[in-house]
Amino acid sequence: EVQLVESGGGLIQPGGSLRVSCAASGFTVSTNYMSWVRQAPGKGLEWVSVIYSGGSTYYADSVKGRFTISRDNLKNTLYLQMNSLRAEDTAVYYCARDYVLGVWGQGTTVTVSS
Amino acid sequence: QLVLTQSPSASASLGASVKLTCTLSSGHSSYAIAWHQQQPEKGPRYLMKVNSDGSHSKGDGIPDRFSGSSSGAERYLTISSLQSEDEADYYCQTWGTGPVFGGGTKLTVL
Repeated sequence: EVQLVESGGGLIQPGGSLRVSCAASGFTVSTNYMSWVRQAPGKGLEWVSVIYSGGSTYYADSVKGRFTISRDNLKNTLYLQMNSLRAEDTAVYYCARDYVLGVWGQGTTVTVSS
Repeated sequence: QLVLTQSPSASASLGASVKLTCTLSSGHSSYAIAWHQQQPEKGPRYLMKVNSDGSHSKGDGIPDRFSGSSSGAERYLTISSLQSEDEADYYCQTWGTGPVFGGGTKLTVL
């Protein structure tokens, strides 16, 4: 079964760091276009970062220089390292597969607050 | 600039049909889009991809009541025989460097 499971969310103080993970099963992360998408409370979906199968990475302007997307091919897992967190980064973070985002995880909640 | 525009809200009666619209920005009328459904307190679910020629391909398990179509720069999601569980937010999405989302349409089933 094709599945994505996020983990690693939590409460973190402004300026802090957090790494969220997305474990994949039923397919290979490294051969797919993988995205991180977030949703702030009461808001719509917002693209955060993508990694192409070839390894190229791209970021939304709102997180550029602070967030890093990566993958571990042995663990078949996608990561999002988030540094210098701000209150406006508070959101549910989802990982998704393919250009059409055809497979979504259930999300992990990140709350940035003092 | 690649932008997707959706009406913020729509409503229709139980058992009726509704057609949601997603409009591509100027110069991008050939782009395919995807539709996603987000029920209250749940994560998004992929519904289908809609091509510029109106053809569409649905995700696994998506009922036949859901269909897609196109006209020019507009992409449509039609839901027939509306059920209470269809009350949800619907997002269209395409891709540039990364995913590009419309603002979403909140569908109310009366």
